[in-house]
Amino acid sequence: SQELEQSPQSLIVQEGKNLTINCTSSKTLYGLYWYKQKYGEGLIFLMMLQKGGEEKSHEKITAKLDEKKQQSSLHITASQPSHAGIYLCGADYSGNTPLVFGKGTRLSVIA
Amino acid sequence: GAVVSQHPSWVICKSGTSVKIECRSLDFQATTMFWYRQFPKQSLMLMATSNEGSKATYEQGVEKDKFLINHASLTLSTLTVTSAHPEDSSFYICSARDPSGVTDTQYFGPGTRLTVL
Repeated sequence: SQELEQSPQSLIVQEGKNLTINCTSSKTLYGLYWYKQKYGEGLIFLMMLQKGGEEKSHEKITAKLDEKKQQSSLHITASQPSHAGIYLCGADYSGNTPLVFGKGTRLSVIA
Repeated sequence: GAVVSQHPSWVICKSGTSVKIECRSLDFQATTMFWYRQFPKQSLMLMATSNEGSKATYEQGVEKDKFLINHASLTLSTLTVTSAHPEDSSFYICSARDPSGVTDTQYFGPGTRLTVL
């Protein structure tokens, strides 16, 4: 089974609604990255979480890492069309290794 | 924040030709860079780890003779797809770790879309 599970695979929300994307690791994380990608484009770094229980926010996006450092959630408040895209979580298991990525969540925001 | 660039952003080539993709860290030195490949509607898959001054480490299933990686300086890594075939058509993304930052963040390039005819 995959080390990193991301859910849901796709999400369609009405503009203004809140949403949450989850990322669960089968192993303890050294760090957890959240990226956003528009189709065919590179990744945009959103946030990186490293400490158990850590929570970071940027504009209307909040990411949390649980105390056990195995689960992270990304929450978007009052979604807008500009939030549409693919959200990827990336797991760092040792601090100097490449990231292992989840399969991504495709977010559509409809007016 | 730190920036990683890639060149070219897209390339179309004929089957059998070779294509070189450059990855540069613009404002930091990266002893390690990573190359990923992404097929449509799929997540990124690690191809290889590029180490400055030494040979790259390839993931299982990735042909090192086909995907040549050269990390000649602390700011530049290149990926050459040799004798490209249509099945090599993909989106190639590099990343570099900035060790000087507090959180040792990994930054990604904008990607290179390769289409092999």
